Order: sequence, then C-alpha cells, then structure tokens
Amino acid sequence: QKEVEQNSGPLSVPEGAIASLNCTYSDRGSQSFFWYRQYSGKSPELIMFIYSNGDKEDGRFTAQLNKASQYVSLLIRDSQPSDSATYLCAVSGGYNKLIFGAGTRLAVHP
Amino acid sequence: NAGVTQTPKFQVLKTGQSMTLQCAQDMNHNSMYWYRQDPGMGLRLIYYSASEGTTDKGEVPNGYNVSRLNKREFSLRLESAAPSQTSVYFCASSEVNGGDGYGYTFGSGTRLTVV
Repeated sequence: QKEVEQNSGPLSVPEGAIASLNCTYSDRGSQSFFWYRQYSGKSPELIMFIYSNGDKEDGRFTAQLNKASQYVSLLIRDSQPSDSATYLCAVSGGYNKLIFGAGTRLAVHP
Repeated sequence: NAGVTQTPKFQVLKTGQSMTLQCAQDMNHNSMYWYRQDPGMGLRLIYYSASEGTTDKGEVPNGYNVSRLNKREFSLRLESAAPSQTSVYFCASSEVNGGDGYGYTFGSGTRLTVV
C-alpha cells in the first residue's frame, strides 16, 4: 500500500524563524508532490507543488524534493503566528489521485 | 466564484439511518473526489470520479456509494450509517493540465456524527 509519512508534531518555532516540515513517501513512481495548509476546522488549501528534484521557491515558502531518497520538505522562512496550522503532504497515486500524509501541526509562537 | 460547495455542513444521524452528502463545483473540472478525515489518520480517499460517467473505489469505500450526476455534481451516500462513519467529509475537484500541476480544490467539509 502506498504510504506518505509525516511527523505529527507539534513543531514549535519562534516567530521569525525557519520552520522545516518533512515528508517521506513509499511509491517510487510518484511524480507530483504537494503541500497543503489546513487551519483548525477548515478545509485544506494548496500552497506549493513540485515535480522536479531540487528546490522550488514561492515567497516565504520553499519546497524541496529528493526522489532518490523519496523525501519532500517544506521550508517556511520568517515564520508568522498566522502560519500556525497543520501542513499536509500529498503525493500523486496514479489516475489523478492524491495520497495524503496525516499532517504536521506547526505552532509559531511570538 | 463559489468553487466547491458541499451540503450539509453538519449532520447528526442515528445508527442505521441513510443520507446523501452533496457536492457541486463550478470550475468545469473533470475529476471529483470524496475523502474522509479522522484524527491522526489524515485524508483517506473514499471514491473518486476521473471524469463524468465514471466512478472508482478509493482506499475506504465500504459502506458508501457515489453518483456522478453530471460534470458539476458528485454525491456520496451512506445507506446504513454506523458510528465508525463519524468523520469530517471533504469533497474536492481537480483539472489535470499537464503543466505546472493540478492540485485539488476542496469544499468546506461536512461534519458527520453517527450516534
């Protein structure tokens, strides 16, 4: 069974620091990788996607992909209290399906 | 621009009752999905519809049925609700564009409690 693993956290970082969120996946055939942010009681919202090995930057967010190690990460620079949420890693599972990890809860404290 | 609309937002059912969760999207997406989210288990795929007229089972289909009524609407039915189906249900849609990525757009969710 295809799996996506994340540390459940909480990951606690001070305001202004870099938050590093990690994800590993089991299916070597996966081609697309996504990070979603979910605030408590709300639905997930897409914040980053990455297809190729290396880094992809969008504002304060950087997604990193290493297919050889089956590892995806999300870096959040200059973390703000508004970044406090659960971050879900998702990996393509074929036929336009996504497989989600259980999420990492991030807490940014002032 | 509504995106993905789910109804109802909250529901309490008694064991054995049936109900249908409704989902509609206005983005002309081909693919639609139903997920459930339970504490510590993330989002698990119940059923999906890659295109109008097709439906397929996901990871946890038992106890559910679906109907892709047209391109916009994808409903999820619980024929005989069980307490194990207490969860938050999310509908999502996506369009594969083969370019920069397709991601999902999620509805706001239905919080279902079966007593």
